Amino acid sequence: EAGVAQSPRYKIIEKRQSVAFWCNPISGHATLYWYQQILGQGPKLLIQFQNNGVVDDSQLPKDRFSAERLKGVDSTLKIQPAKLEDSAVYLCASSSPYRGQGKTQYFGPGTRLLVL
Amino acid sequence: AQSVSQHNHHVILSEAASLELGCNYSYGGTVNLFWYVQYPGQHLQLLLKYFSGDPLVKGIKGFEAEFIKSKFSFNLRKPSVQWSDTAEYFCAVNAHSNYQLIWGAGTKLIIKP
Repeated sequence: EAGVAQSPRYKIIEKRQSVAFWCNPISGHATLYWYQQILGQGPKLLIQFQNNGVVDDSQLPKDRFSAERLKGVDSTLKIQPAKLEDSAVYLCASSSPYRGQGKTQYFGPGTRLLVL
Repeated sequence: AQSVSQHNHHVILSEAASLELGCNYSYGGTVNLFWYVQYPGQHLQLLLKYFSGDPLVKGIKGFEAEFIKSKFSFNLRKPSVQWSDTAEYFCAVNAHSNYQLIWGAGTKLIIKP
């Protein structure tokens, strides 16, 4: 079974530029999550999708961050304009819709973003 | 609000030492419990998980964890660590009400060869 795919793996941009990250979840996983992980901290949930609908985006800085999952499969997270404090690893995870597995989340390799 | 507390931010051990990493959570309802590991330069991997049944859960690479409901704890253990266990370990909990993961801050484990 293929895991969660993310691209790019690394990105360096200057502040005020825009950037986009892509994620393809495990096949059949209806729930998709985007996290931000700052060095030395645990992941922070940015947004959660169930199919193509948003379940929770309460911690997404909506003035600069946006995300979509138009066809309920892959997803894109965008930052525009980027700030220095956005430097972090952006993780995508997916989980099965079946509660019997406690909705275990499986993670992609992440995109390491450096904003200069 | 739900929270997860990992007691040690950094742990340094010698090879063959025994390991116990603490994890406590605050939530009164039914929960699922997870330990994830992040090896240097790699992505988060599931180490083990508890949903129900036997509170002693065995995971990959010789790790185990025990759920003690009365103490709201889910400590991770390994009887004899190896240099390759050097990594960051995260405890996470989700409640049956919404299944959103609440994360601990992580414990950086360094094993001296």
